[in-house]
Amino acid sequence: DAGVIQSPRHEVTEMGQEVTLRCKPISGHDYLFWYRQTMMRGLELLIYFNNNVPIDDSGMPEDRFSAKMPNASFSTLKIQPSEPRDSAVYFCASSPVRGGSYEQYFGPGTRLTVT
Amino acid sequence: AQSVTQLDSQVPVFEEAPVELRCNYSSSVSVYLFWYVQYPNQGLQLLLKYLSGSTLVKGINGFEAEFNKSQTSFHLRKPSVHISDTAEYFCAVRPKTSYDKVIFGPGTSLSVIP
Repeated sequence: DAGVIQSPRHEVTEMGQEVTLRCKPISGHDYLFWYRQTMMRGLELLIYFNNNVPIDDSGMPEDRFSAKMPNASFSTLKIQPSEPRDSAVYFCASSPVRGGSYEQYFGPGTRLTVT
Repeated sequence: AQSVTQLDSQVPVFEEAPVELRCNYSSSVSVYLFWYVQYPNQGLQLLLKYLSGSTLVKGINGFEAEFNKSQTSFHLRKPSVHISDTAEYFCAVRPKTSYDKVIFGPGTSLSVIP
């Protein structure tokens, strides 16, 4: 398996622009997580899905952030409008329910810079 | 609720020396325990995990960790580090009764000095 795939790997945009981050989880995984990592705040859980349904979005910082999972193989995290404080590395992770492994598998991340 | 404390934010160590990265957790329910490693400009990957059984677990790259229930600790050790071990290390817990929530610690930055 190719692992969790994220695109783009780097994104530089100007304040006020819309940004869309993409994630393809590992096939067969039931859970999908979106995290944000910054030096100041560490690793933060933004939202997660189970079987394509959003379960907990309490970590989404504000209404400018939205996430969707239209099918089992694709998810997006959108920021509109973007602000400089959104600059961070955004990770997607997936996890299976079956098999007893319990751990999360992380993608390589998208480094977002908002100028 | 659960919480994870990693007592050292940065740990410098000379190459071939032993290292211990400390992790303590707080939880009112039984938990599974994990250590993840993040190499520069990469995502997190699993080093090792404790689910049940022997309290000493071995992971990849020569790392091991010991679960101590009475002290609610899960310290990570390696007898001899290599330059390639330079990375950020995260301790994490997950309640046995709740599949979805994994709580990550703040991370420990390990720097191996040649």
